[in-house]
Amino acid sequence: GAVVSQHPSWVICKSGTSVKIECRSLDFQATTMFWYRQFPKQSLMLMATSNEGSKATYEQGVEKDKFLINHASLTLSTLTVTSAHPEDSSFYICSARDPNRVTYEQYFGPGTRLTVT
Amino acid sequence: KNQVEQSPQSLIILEGKNCTLQCNYTVSPFSNLRWYKQDTGRGPVSLTIMTFSENTKSNGRYTATLDADTKQSSLHITASQLSDSASYICVVSAFNDMRFGAGTRLTVKP
Repeated sequence: GAVVSQHPSWVICKSGTSVKIECRSLDFQATTMFWYRQFPKQSLMLMATSNEGSKATYEQGVEKDKFLINHASLTLSTLTVTSAHPEDSSFYICSARDPNRVTYEQYFGPGTRLTVT
Repeated sequence: KNQVEQSPQSLIILEGKNCTLQCNYTVSPFSNLRWYKQDTGRGPVSLTIMTFSENTKSNGRYTATLDADTKQSSLHITASQLSDSASYICVVSAFNDMRFGAGTRLTVKP
């Protein structure tokens, strides 16, 4: 099956700093990628939809200036958490859509645990 | 109100036993329904995906059913193993829009 990777798998940063998370589709070209946030014992919450070559579409309540998304190529999307605060600590998961699948299957990355101290 | 409701919220069973997880949805129009398994600290992994015309799909010891008329789906796990301990998430798609259930946390005990 298709593989989506994320890097890093976990990161600890200090308040006020920025951290970048990478999401890569390893064996298919993903025109669309998605970024989710998941708090403990809760389900995934969609943050934004990342489209290659265009601006990301953010869900209501998600600050686009705080969560910068760049979909620079068909296999890479990045999420940068700017001026991180402890409340940004969460599990961030990306997914990539394979446009060659009729059912538009999405493949999830393994997630990135962000802890802001 | 969430458009995808899962029950139970959590479940504890003994190894070797069977169990059934439920998913009710109100998402419309309906495109497909997926069940994912998410281990703690990991991303979700697809178990099954069903479109409107399918009413059952199996993947090893996992069998999903879909009743599009009543908008209900179930995931049946046979002969549970310790490695089945995870959260199981039901996701219903309306074309490009995916709606996530809150998940059922399954714990399999020896």
